[in-house]
Amino acid sequence: KNQVEQSPQSLIILEGKNCTLQCNYTVSPFSNLRWYKQDTGRGPVSLTIMTFSENTKSNGRYTATLDADTKQSSLHITASQLSDSASYICVVRLNTGGFKTIFGAGTRLFVKA
Amino acid sequence: NAGVTQTPKFQVLKTGQSMTLQCAQDMNHNSMYWYRQDPGMGLRLIYYSASEGTTDKGEVPNGYNVSRLNKREFSLRLESAAPSQTSVYFCASSEVGQGPYEQYFGPGTRLTVT
Repeated sequence: KNQVEQSPQSLIILEGKNCTLQCNYTVSPFSNLRWYKQDTGRGPVSLTIMTFSENTKSNGRYTATLDADTKQSSLHITASQLSDSASYICVVRLNTGGFKTIFGAGTRLFVKA
Repeated sequence: NAGVTQTPKFQVLKTGQSMTLQCAQDMNHNSMYWYRQDPGMGLRLIYYSASEGTTDKGEVPNGYNVSRLNKREFSLRLESAAPSQTSVYFCASSEVGQGPYEQYFGPGTRLTVT
C-alpha cells in the first residue's frame, strides 16, 4: 500500500535551535518528493522538490535530503525562528498517469521564544 | 498577481443542502486540483483537471462534482452535503500535472455540515 509516514507528529523547540523532521514512504513507482510548509489557516507552500537523482536540496534555512534506496527523506531546519511554527508536510508523487500523489499527515512544529 | 483564490472562506451547511466552491488562478496554469484536508490525515485529492476541458476523479470523488469553466476557474460542487464532508477544502494549480512542477495552493475553504 502506498503510504507516507512522518515523524514526529509534533515537536517543540526553542528559538535558534536546529531540528530535523522525518519522512518515510512506501510509494512506487516514485516520481518526486516535496516538502511543504503550512501555516495555521493557510494553504501549503512548497519548500523543496526532489527527483529520484537528487540527494539534497536547500531553500534558505531549510535543507531536505532524500535517500531513494531506503525511501527516507528528512527536512532540517537551521537556526529556527518563531515564524517557522507551522505544519510541515511530506508529499510523494507516483510516476504513473492520473496525478497520483500521497500526502503525509504532517509534523506540527512549535518554536518557542 | 493574486495566485490561487478561493471563495468562500467559511461556510456552514445543513445536511442535504448544496453549494459550489469557487477557485480561480491567475498564473496561466494548465492543471488544477481540489483537495480536502481532515484532522490527522494528509490532503486527499478529490478531482483534478489536467487541462482546460478535462476533469478526472481523484482518490475521494464520491459526493462531489467539478467544472473546469475555463483555464482560470475550477469549481467544486456538493449536490447534497453530508456531515462526512465537513473538512477544509483546498484548490491548487500547477503548470502541468506530472514532473517536478510546483503546486500552488489557495487559502482554503472551511466547510461545516450539520
